This record gives sequence, structure tokens and C-alpha cells, in this order.
Amino acid sequence: AQSVTQPDIHITVSEGASLELRCNYSYGATPYLFWYVQSPGQGLQLLLKYFSGDTLVQGIKGFEAEFKRSQSSFNLRKPSVHWSDAAEYFCAVEPGGSYIPTFGRGTSLIVHP
Amino acid sequence: NAGVTQTPKFQVLKTGQSMTLQCAQDMNHNSMYWYRQDPGMGLRLIYYSASEGTTDKGEVPNGYNVSRLNKREFSLRLESAAPSQTSVYFCASREIMAGTQYFGPGTRLLVL
Repeated sequence: AQSVTQPDIHITVSEGASLELRCNYSYGATPYLFWYVQSPGQGLQLLLKYFSGDTLVQGIKGFEAEFKRSQSSFNLRKPSVHWSDAAEYFCAVEPGGSYIPTFGRGTSLIVHP
Repeated sequence: NAGVTQTPKFQVLKTGQSMTLQCAQDMNHNSMYWYRQDPGMGLRLIYYSASEGTTDKGEVPNGYNVSRLNKREFSLRLESAAPSQTSVYFCASREIMAGTQYFGPGTRLLVL
């Protein structure tokens, strides 16, 4: 069975600083990969996804993620964080064809002014 | 276009009471899911329905039942609520090949 690890429970950054959230997965083949964001009191919203092709994926709100097969990683990045980016971020991995993603435990992003 | 809607938003139950959480989507998606979210645990799949007429257990199905009433609606029932079922419950829907799951706003359940 697949698994996904988000090593950082909390990350604190200053507004305007760059951001990288880590995601590592365990799965035998290349899975489908997702990043979702959850604002307080809300449901999850898709930021970006990777199925195949170009390993650098652009998403909404200025986020991007890079799939690195050799490291089994799919890290999320943003060059300049805004206060409105404060939220919970979830990485998810899905074996192709299963249609059942497994979610990481989430990383809480705190943005200081 | 409301997306995924869930009712109720909040509920307080006593141990042993039953209730049904309702979920509906208006995007004509085939697949629907029920998750629970607990602090530090991420989202855990309770049940899912790949298409109308089918349901399957997820990671944490014990204590729950589901009904895929039609293509739009997927309900989650707690027959005898327990304090361990205190959680936030999310419903999601998805068009299979597109991959993106669309989530409802959640139901916050407290079992005393």
C-alpha cells in the first residue's frame, strides 16, 4: 500500500519569504500526486496535480511543485508568501487507476507580517 | 452551481444516538467519498462510491454505513454514535479521469 509523509507539522515564514513544503511518498510505481490547501473552517481545494509529463507543475495562487522520482518527493514551492497563504496544506498520493488518494497528515503554514 | 454541499454544518450527539450526514453534488460526478479529519491525522477515508449503485469500505469504516441514493447524493449514517466519532466529516466528489476531488465545507460532529 502507498503512504505519504509530510515531515513538517508546522512551518513559519515571514510574508514575502519563499516557501517549500516537503512531501515524500512510498509506492512502487509513479503515482498520481496532488497538493490541496485547507483554509480554516473550510474544505480542501486543489492547488495542483501531477499525472505524467513535465515534472515541474504549475498550480493556482502562484504555487508550483516538482516531482523527483529518484527522491520519491513532490515538494510544493512558492517564491513569495502572502499572509493569505496561511492555511493547512495536504499532499496526497494515488496509485494510477485506483481513484483512491492517500493523504498526508498535513503541514500548517503560519505567515508572520 | 453549488458544488458539494453538506448538511448539517454542526451537530452535537449523545453517545448511542444515531444520525445521518447528507452530501450532494451538482457536478454530475460519478465518484463520491466520505472522509473524517482529526487533528494531526490528515484525512482518512471512511467509505467511497465509485459510481451510482456501488459502495466500498475505506480505511476506517467501523461504526458507519453509507447509501448512494442516486448520482447526486451520498449519505453517511452513524447508527450508534461514540465519542471516538467526534470529528470533522468531509464529503468529496470527483470525475474519475480528471483526478481532482471537490470537497464540501464539512460537518463538525461532537459526541458526548
